[in-house]
Parts: sequence; structure tokens; C-alpha cells
Amino acid sequence: EIVMTQSPATLTVSPGQSVTLSCRASQSVSLDLAWYQQKPGQAPRLLMYGSSTRAAGVPARFVARGSGTDFSLTIRTVESADFAVYFCQHYNNWPPYTFGQGTKLEV
Amino acid sequence: DEQLVQSETVVKQPGESLTISCEGSGNTFATSWIAWVRQKPGKGREWMGVIYVGDSDTKYSPSFQGQVTMSADKTISTAYLHWTSLQASDTGVYYCARLKEMSSPLDSWGQGSLVLVSS
Repeated sequence: EIVMTQSPATLTVSPGQSVTLSCRASQSVSLDLAWYQQKPGQAPRLLMYGSSTRAAGVPARFVARGSGTDFSLTIRTVESADFAVYFCQHYNNWPPYTFGQGTKLEV
Repeated sequence: DEQLVQSETVVKQPGESLTISCEGSGNTFATSWIAWVRQKPGKGREWMGVIYVGDSDTKYSPSFQGQVTMSADKTISTAYLHWTSLQASDTGVYYCARLKEMSSPLDSWGQGSLVLVSS
């Protein structure tokens, strides 16, 4: 099973700052990596897939990159709507597809 | 986009059986894969398995093989997750989510079903 490790667990920032979240896979997942955003009491929302492609309606301030085992999600100029939990997930090698533990972005 | 609506919160006792549901409202449900994801209190997300709604082909994660049963009825655009005998350790939030194809991201999610197993 591929283990996905996210860091940091919590990130404290102020609106207007830029932040970078990290996701590392225990073995290569090529470009088969997605990022999701989840706010309290809400369903997760797909943000990015194919390592760097934004899902429909995702603002351009979200930028993702990476391949193989190391991936990152950068939020340029954090807005109040961005405070949430972000988690990564690979879909490269079944079984199973696995998730990272998540990074909580807080004010 | 496929919208997924899940059954509501349920409280059960250990040993009881349970089926929760996930209903799709778009026109792609019958040709979608539906995944089930568990999130236990204070823990991360775990991929339980996936089912292809069109022919009910199922793929279970090793940790969940034999513990739950996934099924689907394409005629009513609904997927199901079933337990025959619940345990307290099954307590958690269960999400259904859609994949367009097997190796693709989860592009639509249900709102989650809270399952509380307690005596």
C-alpha cells in the first residue's frame, strides 16, 4: 500500500499570504495525484488532479505541481474562503488508492 | 456534474445490520464508479472500495474485504454499503464519491453519512 504523507499537519497564516502544502508518496504515483478541500460540515471538493490541473471553477490562485513522489499545493494570496483542510490522494496503483492525513489551514 | 445524496445519520447497536445509500441525480451515474470512503473520528480518510454501477463490478481494499458489501442499482441511480454485523469500531462518517473511470480522481462527493455504533 502506498503511504501518503502530508506536511505540515497545521498551517497558520493570515489572509493575503501565500502558503505551500506538501504531499509525499512512499513510492512513485507518476502524475496520478489529486488535492481536495474540505470545510467543516461540508463534503470534500476536488481542487486539482493529474498533479497540476485545476478542477472546474477552482481559482487560479491554487497552483499544484510535482511528479513521482513529491507534490505541492500553493495557494497564492490566501483568502478567508480558503481556510479548510486540504488532503491529497493518489489514484495510481490499486489496491488501494490512499489519502494523506490532511493539512489544516487556519487563521 | 453528478450530485450525490446520502442517507442520514444512523445510530445502531453492535451486532445489528445496516445499509446506507448514495443516490445520484445526474445522467452519468449508471456509467460511473462509486467509491466508499470512511473517516473515523479524529482520523484520516480510508478508501474502502469501488463499484462500477453499470455492471456492479466491485473492487475492495484489502482492509475492508469481507467486512462490508457494496452494491448498486443503476435503474434507480443508487449505490449501497451494507454491514451484516456492526461493531463499535465501525463508527465514523462514510462518504460516497464518483470516479469517471477507475484511475481518476473523485470528482463528486456525497455529504457523508454518520454511523454511530453504540450499546
